[in-house]
Amino acid sequence: DAGVIQSPRHEVTEMGQEVTLRCKPISGHNSLFWYRQTMMRGLELLIYFNNNVPIDDSGMPEDRFSAKMPNASFSTLKIQPSEPRDSAVYFCASSSLGGELFFGEGSRLTVL
Amino acid sequence: AQSVTQPDIHITVSEGASLELRCNYSYGATPYLFWYVQSPGQGLQLLLKYFSGDTLVQGIKGFEAEFKRSQSSFNLRKPSVHWSDAAEYFCAVGAADDYKLSFGAGTTVTVRA
Repeated sequence: DAGVIQSPRHEVTEMGQEVTLRCKPISGHNSLFWYRQTMMRGLELLIYFNNNVPIDDSGMPEDRFSAKMPNASFSTLKIQPSEPRDSAVYFCASSSLGGELFFGEGSRLTVL
Repeated sequence: AQSVTQPDIHITVSEGASLELRCNYSYGATPYLFWYVQSPGQGLQLLLKYFSGDTLVQGIKGFEAEFKRSQSSFNLRKPSVHWSDAAEYFCAVGAADDYKLSFGAGTTVTVRA
C-alpha cells in the first residue's frame, strides 16, 4: 500500500514568495496532521483535520500560514508570504481514530 | 493535557552494547503510547505501540518497550545495537478518544564502532 505522499520533497524559494506543500494521506484514514520540525523547536503540530474539517489549528504560527483539505485524499499547507524563519521540514501524517500516525517523508523548505 | 518528557537529548552507545531510552508521560487516563524512529532525511517510522494488555511490547528492528503505570514511563530498549540504529527516537502519547499525539523532544542516538 502507498504511504503518505508529500510533495515537493525539497523547495528553495526567496523571501516573500508563496509556498504550497501538498499531501495525499493513506486511503481510509480520516485524520490528517501537518507538523513542522526544526532543530530549535523540534516537532510541532500545526493543524489537524478530521473528516476533512479543521479541528485544531492552534499551532499555526500566524496568518501567513493556511491549510486546506478539500477532500479525503488531498491537503495543502500554504505559506504566503514566506520568510526565512519558515525554513524547516514539514511533515504530513494521517491516522484513524486512536491509531498510530503514519508520516510522509517530509518537505524540506528553505527560504532565502 | 497530555505531555511527554524524554530526559536524554543525546546518547552515545557502542555497537553491540545495550540501549535504553527513557520516556515519561503525563496523562490522566490510560494512555496510548508510541515510539517512533527518524533516520536522517526521513520521516518518522513507528517502532512499537502500547494500547492495552501485556505491558512489555515488542516492536520492529529488535526493540521492545515496557509500560510502567506506577512510574508513568514507557522506556525503549534494545539488547544489542547495530550501527544502523543511529537515529533520533521520539516517544509519543495519545488516547483512544483523541486524534492528537503529543511528542517528546526526541533522543538522538549515536552508535560508535
